[in-house]
Amino acid sequence: SQQGEEDPQALSIQEGENATMNCSYKTSINNLQWYRQNSGRGLVHLILIRSNEREKHSGRLRVTLDTSKKSSSLLITASRAADTASYFCAPMDSNYQLIWGAGTKLIIKP
Amino acid sequence: EPEVTQTPSHQVTQMGQEVILRCVPISNHLYFYWYRQILGQKVEFLVSFYNNEISEKSEIFDDQFSVERPDGSNFTLKIRSTKLEDSAMYFCASNPLAGVYEQYFGPGTRLTVT
Repeated sequence: SQQGEEDPQALSIQEGENATMNCSYKTSINNLQWYRQNSGRGLVHLILIRSNEREKHSGRLRVTLDTSKKSSSLLITASRAADTASYFCAPMDSNYQLIWGAGTKLIIKP
Repeated sequence: EPEVTQTPSHQVTQMGQEVILRCVPISNHLYFYWYRQILGQKVEFLVSFYNNEISEKSEIFDDQFSVERPDGSNFTLKIRSTKLEDSAMYFCASNPLAGVYEQYFGPGTRLTVT
């Protein structure tokens, strides 16, 4: 399978804590994107990291990419109840297709 | 801020019926996509569309499926004879340029086949 695989499948933490989600993939990539999905809703793009980048920040989000290990991580700092959602890693392959995993379901407890 | 819209939000149909799901991508975007997500499962790519033709399609996108951009604004997905297993959320997405840009997703159409 070429799909991205997120780890863990589910994560439950207290508000204010940091949340880290990991992703592994198998193919060569052009870039890697993270998306968020609130329950039953559409997908919202969070951040894109190019294959020649190692780290990227956007607000409370920090993404790392290790192409030698074919892995990425998404860190959400100082989590809020509103961060409760599913998070998907989507590597974009050389054919410019996004490859989706099953996502990490994040629950932030108030 | 411009956004991708989809109609209807929920479609219920009987097995064997034809359905058309509609999307209005962001106006200056050139690449369009359909994805589906069976409840609780991963997002699955169906098809990409550029310059009025299909550029890529997955194994899921068989002869029962077709896409069209009839009027330069709408982007439609037709399922000719729906099956129970077609029940899913269907997402339309667009982006201005393939390869290096984020995809902008619509809110989805929930298709229920009974």
